[in-house]
Amino acid sequence: SYELTQPPSVSVSPGQTTRIPCSGDALPKKYAYWYQQKSGQAPVLVIYEDSKRPSGIPERFSGSSSGTTATLTISGAQVEDEADYYCYSTDNSGDSIWVFGGGTKVTVL
Amino acid sequence: QVQLVESGGGVVQPGRSLRLSCAASGFAFSDYAMHWVRQAPGKGLEWVAVILYDGTKKYHADSVKGRFTISRDNLQNTLYLEMNSLRTEDSAIYYCSSHVDTLTGKNYWGQGTLVTVSA
Repeated sequence: SYELTQPPSVSVSPGQTTRIPCSGDALPKKYAYWYQQKSGQAPVLVIYEDSKRPSGIPERFSGSSSGTTATLTISGAQVEDEADYYCYSTDNSGDSIWVFGGGTKVTVL
Repeated sequence: QVQLVESGGGVVQPGRSLRLSCAASGFAFSDYAMHWVRQAPGKGLEWVAVILYDGTKKYHADSVKGRFTISRDNLQNTLYLEMNSLRTEDSAIYYCSSHVDTLTGKNYWGQGTLVTVSA
């Protein structure tokens, strides 16, 4: 079955930039989406279709994709950005089978 | 305002069945494909199933295929997940969510309902 691979954790200092990669064989043809989930809360969409930012999401969140890797970038990380981040996409089967990456815990300290 | 409210969770024995509901309000439910996503305690998100806006097509993750069935009632603005032959590994918070609207970036989630499968 299809898999999306992310690092389990990253650390960043306040005001610095961090990048979270997500690798998957179908990403050259399929869009990546990114979710932020804080403890005890439902996920929140922060990036869709590789690089689009929903209304209300701070500009410090950006996305890109190249080849088999999609990347979420947090520029000028804030303490409130500490959360789990998940990439999300579909496979190449032609069916609408969706997959989440394993998640990346972002620690801001 | 937009609301997705899941219900039907609880404690159930292995092998038994449960039906989850997700009541939608505040948006055009019948225009959106809808998903179920689950999260086991302390674990990551796992996609479970999706159903097209009109219910004509539905897809399930391999881990639940043949045991779970997603359905919807657009007149009642309600999404369902019928879960049969439950296993301990199905224990999780189950969320319903709308498919991402690619024109606006809107994406709605409920707060989840907890399912515990235990003898």
